[in-house]
Amino acid sequence: GEDVEQSLFLSVREGDSSVINCTYTDSSSTYLYWYKQEPGAGLQLLTYIFSNMDMKQDQRLTVLLNKKDKHLSLRIADTQTGDSAIYFCAEKAGKLIFGQGTTLQVKP
Amino acid sequence: DAGVTQSPTHLIKTRGQQVTLRCSPKSGHDTVSWYQQALGQGPQFIFQYYEEEERQRGNFPDRFSGHQFPNYSSELNVNALLLGDSALYLCASSWTGNEQYFGPGTRLTVT
Repeated sequence: GEDVEQSLFLSVREGDSSVINCTYTDSSSTYLYWYKQEPGAGLQLLTYIFSNMDMKQDQRLTVLLNKKDKHLSLRIADTQTGDSAIYFCAEKAGKLIFGQGTTLQVKP
Repeated sequence: DAGVTQSPTHLIKTRGQQVTLRCSPKSGHDTVSWYQQALGQGPQFIFQYYEEEERQRGNFPDRFSGHQFPNYSSELNVNALLLGDSALYLCASSWTGNEQYFGPGTRLTVT
């Protein structure tokens, strides 16, 4: 079946690193994505990783993929108050399947 | 370069009515997907259009239908509205269906 699970809430202090975790079930997924949603807005594509990669780095963002355990993580270095938002992990098996989202709270 | 645009921004309808939402894809994109996002949930896939045909469909009833025009823009139609159809409706566009870019959404309230 298709299912994506995320923890619901993460709170960090400004300047710390944030790690948001996700598990997925469909091993045929070709791409895995991270999206950011601010209140009242649409989804912003942050980054994505192809399923044959282990890691991808993009400025402050690092994506790690453990295909054996079907585990995906997003690390945000030097987290800022502007990073406060809901982060969605999504897998693509034809269509995008989203998790419930992780609310990231950044305390000054 | 304009991103994905959607109209209207907000909409209030009564149960039993019909609604049409519109989406213009990002320049150069040929594929449009529609998602429903209920409050506090992740987006749920409704369907995807490519070359004016419905290419894939999620678990939504036939009350949800769509169309894609030759200029790649798209409409989502919902008939016989239910209270449970109240949600944020998101349109996403892509080229080949991989990197999907989302519009700001249409907030539909059914009373």
